[in-house]
Amino acid sequence: DTGVSQDPRHKITKRGQNVTFRCDPISEHNRLYWYRQTLGQGPEFLTYFQNEAQLEKSRLLSDRFSAERPKGSFSTLEIQRTEQGDSAMYLCASSLGRIPYNEQFFGPGTRLTVL
Amino acid sequence: GIQVEQSPPDLILQEGANSTLRCNFSDSVNNLQWFHQNPWGQLINLFYIPSGTKQNGRLSATTVATERYSLLYISSSQTTDSGVYFCAVVGNSGNTPLVFGKGTRLSVIA
Repeated sequence: DTGVSQDPRHKITKRGQNVTFRCDPISEHNRLYWYRQTLGQGPEFLTYFQNEAQLEKSRLLSDRFSAERPKGSFSTLEIQRTEQGDSAMYLCASSLGRIPYNEQFFGPGTRLTVL
Repeated sequence: GIQVEQSPPDLILQEGANSTLRCNFSDSVNNLQWFHQNPWGQLINLFYIPSGTKQNGRLSATTVATERYSLLYISSSQTTDSGVYFCAVVGNSGNTPLVFGKGTRLSVIA
């Protein structure tokens, strides 16, 4: 296992279209996180899963956003009716979820551009 | 929620110089990580250091949890060290995601 992977790496879409991103965590990690990063800022938390349960959602996660982790392995993040303000880097991370072994490891990100 | 402040926001170094980056946080933490974000956006783990001191090659880090700060030292800087360095913390509840600072943008010139 070489780390967290994300697909696609880049996505260009037109306003109003739906997009879906995938994240595959490190295999033994039971926690999976989604973050969003805009230009010049640090990543901001969107949501996270413990196994298949979605435990927390940020207020940044509007009702156009939905995330799933159906079997506690990979996760998908869907954005419906995309807006230009959704343009950002979407980052996925995973961790063991056990203090003190809660170091998070990040994937390469999906860069979304909404035209 | 917990606040994270990094300084300086920007830093320009001559190759071979040393530098210290600082991270202040507003509450007790049980996780603190330093990352280097490369030009392609990948966040590379540097240190997992909620307390104490660690070293890895030319990089070292110290977290003084009781005084709520962490320092990242870069010695003999190289052009490949350029990028943005982020500090990120998890509060003591342990069940919250990472809260990131705004980063320090480092440029190392030859």
